[in-house]
Amino acid sequence: EPEVTQTPSHQVTQMGQEVILRCVPISNHLYFYWYRQILGQKVEFLVSFYNNEISEKSEIFDDQFSVERPDGSNFTLKIRSTKLEDSAMYFCASSHRDWYQETQYFGPGTRLLVL
Amino acid sequence: SQKIEQNSEALNIQEGKTATLTCNYTNYSPAYLQWYRQDPGRGPVFLLLIRENEKEKRKERLKVTFDTTLKQSLFHITASQPADSATYLCALDPLNYGGSQGNLIFGKGTKLSVKP
Repeated sequence: EPEVTQTPSHQVTQMGQEVILRCVPISNHLYFYWYRQILGQKVEFLVSFYNNEISEKSEIFDDQFSVERPDGSNFTLKIRSTKLEDSAMYFCASSHRDWYQETQYFGPGTRLLVL
Repeated sequence: SQKIEQNSEALNIQEGKTATLTCNYTNYSPAYLQWYRQDPGRGPVFLLLIRENEKEKRKERLKVTFDTTLKQSLFHITASQPADSATYLCALDPLNYGGSQGNLIFGKGTKLSVKP
């Protein structure tokens, strides 16, 4: 069964460094998402992406964040200058949206630790 | 303000019993609501989606109900097994009255423990 994959599974970085989190969505999906989950808290929406542009973004997704689909298969999330509070699990998701309903398939996540 | 709440942080039940989890929302009128399972350190796994015009949906031992008047969804696992132990999340699309915006708003989840 097709699945969303994410790399790396774990990333440790120093505050102020740039990180790039990578995702390979399910191949026939057209909509891509990033979510994050701080330890013990809710899964929170960051950004959605369709047709090579951002569809929607949350208040969390500020100028330090960017997304890209560089080559038709990968979908990346870049954090330009990491802060301690960026430490979280980051989940990529993809979907093939039908009218009136939505099922998103999530990857296993990247655990980011900012020191 | 808009809220989605899962009333129990944790639920402990005996194997073979039915687990019932609750999801309430305020100031949304979602076209559908979804339930996901999340194991520790893993991503959410989709279980069921129920639309606003559906009262109930079933999948094997799982059953979901959706009451748009009460603004509540109930998630049931019948004949529960230790392997059902996980955190169960409800989620909705905040775009009201049909259509789909795509981004999901999640509840905090209910951690279910099924004891043998």
